[in-house]
Amino acid sequence: QAVLTQPSSLSASPGASASLTCTLRSGLNVGTYTIYWYQQKPGSPPQYLLRYKSDSDKQQGSRVRSRFSGSKDASANAGILLISGLQSEDEADYYCMIWHSSAAVFGGGTKLTVL
Amino acid sequence: QVQLQQSGPGLVKSSQTLSLTCAISGDSVSSDIAAWNWVRQSPSRGLEWLGRTYYRSRWYNDYAVSLKSRLIINPDTSQNQFSLLLSSVTPEDTAVYYCAREGFYFDFWGQGTLVTVSS
Repeated sequence: QAVLTQPSSLSASPGASASLTCTLRSGLNVGTYTIYWYQQKPGSPPQYLLRYKSDSDKQQGSRVRSRFSGSKDASANAGILLISGLQSEDEADYYCMIWHSSAAVFGGGTKLTVL
Repeated sequence: QVQLQQSGPGLVKSSQTLSLTCAISGDSVSSDIAAWNWVRQSPSRGLEWLGRTYYRSRWYNDYAVSLKSRLIINPDTSQNQFSLLLSSVTPEDTAVYYCAREGFYFDFWGQGTLVTVSS
């Protein structure tokens, strides 16, 4: 079982909101981890969006719009990236990441299509 | 502004050693608040963290468990750069390789190097 599981794709309409999930493997408690989110567009390396551990421990990347926010769903053992007011420029691959036992672990990524 | 410039061959033969270098400008490989990472990406494996080197009064390394036996990441303070050496490569090591600075997150990335391992 992968450490982090993301849906492979998601489609949403312009102006709508998209909720991207990142589910931790059974046995790992999402509450103890900081979830990092990265956006990647074709031909470019990933770009940091934000990190979220709790409402009192979170950080937005510089120049990252407030339309992007993080949260957790403890019942689903998942981190969530919420993108509101979707724009065509948000079409990209999104990756979650955690540090686990001194190693960075990435999720498989979600391809977000805005149509 | 931090810049990372990668160099190294784009084609490596199976069983040989893949060698890449990441030259740093705007920061120091000996920084006591940054770490210097390698990440690769392929269609089959997605984004995969390989390892890092960092200085905190002495040098430390962390490696992905799956690659630990084949991977060395070395700092080079004289050239302000760090390198990746991956031995005994196979076609499964074909990927785009990135170097990245880690502050509180991966904030600066190299341009990426497509490395193809030929059989």
